[in-house]
Amino acid sequence: AQSVTQPDARVTVSEGASLQLRCKYSYSGTPYLFWYVQYPRQGLQLLLKYYSGDPVVQGVNGFEAEFIKSNSSFHLRKASVHWSDSAVYFCAVNYGSSGNKLIFGIGTLLSVKP
Amino acid sequence: NAGVIQTPRHKVTGKGQEATLWCEPISGHSAVFWYRQTIVQGLEFLTYFRNQAPIDDSGMPKERFSAQMPNQSHSTLKIQSTQPQDSAVYLCASRYDWGYYAEQFFGPGTRLTVL
Repeated sequence: AQSVTQPDARVTVSEGASLQLRCKYSYSGTPYLFWYVQYPRQGLQLLLKYYSGDPVVQGVNGFEAEFIKSNSSFHLRKASVHWSDSAVYFCAVNYGSSGNKLIFGIGTLLSVKP
Repeated sequence: NAGVIQTPRHKVTGKGQEATLWCEPISGHSAVFWYRQTIVQGLEFLTYFRNQAPIDDSGMPKERFSAQMPNQSHSTLKIQSTQPQDSAVYLCASRYDWGYYAEQFFGPGTRLTVL
């Protein structure tokens, strides 16, 4: 079955530190991949997306993600986090054949210590 | 652009009552999606409309849940005889076109609490 795994339910980092949030998907083909962020009491906002081309894709607010097909991974990275980055981050895939619906991981709660 | 609008933001119902949730997609967007968010299950797809037509309702519970899109400016999700397990945040999203790669824009959600 199609699925998205975010193995880290919670990540805590200090402000200014680097960040990696992990995401793995299960699918033999090439999926459409997304990272969304959810701030408290708000809807989801798109950080970045990937389908093809350069496997490192740049997003908003200094975020980037790398697609590694051999590992079925799409990890999110940021070189230096800010306290305002504290939020829940969701990895999602759209397999196309699923009819356009997004399948989300469980999410990773990022806490940035000042 | 006001984004996707969802009303009400919070709704409290008693067990057995009906709840209707409203979504106004971004003007010009042809696709509307409904998702449910809970702590235990995370974000789950419920249903999807394209040009007001229901396309995929594979995530909708078979009983008590229904969704409609009577015109291009709003969609509703109705839950009859609400149960405590229906308590969740219900998110609506809209998308400009039909492409799998296109971004879905999410509303702030409606938090439903069933007592």
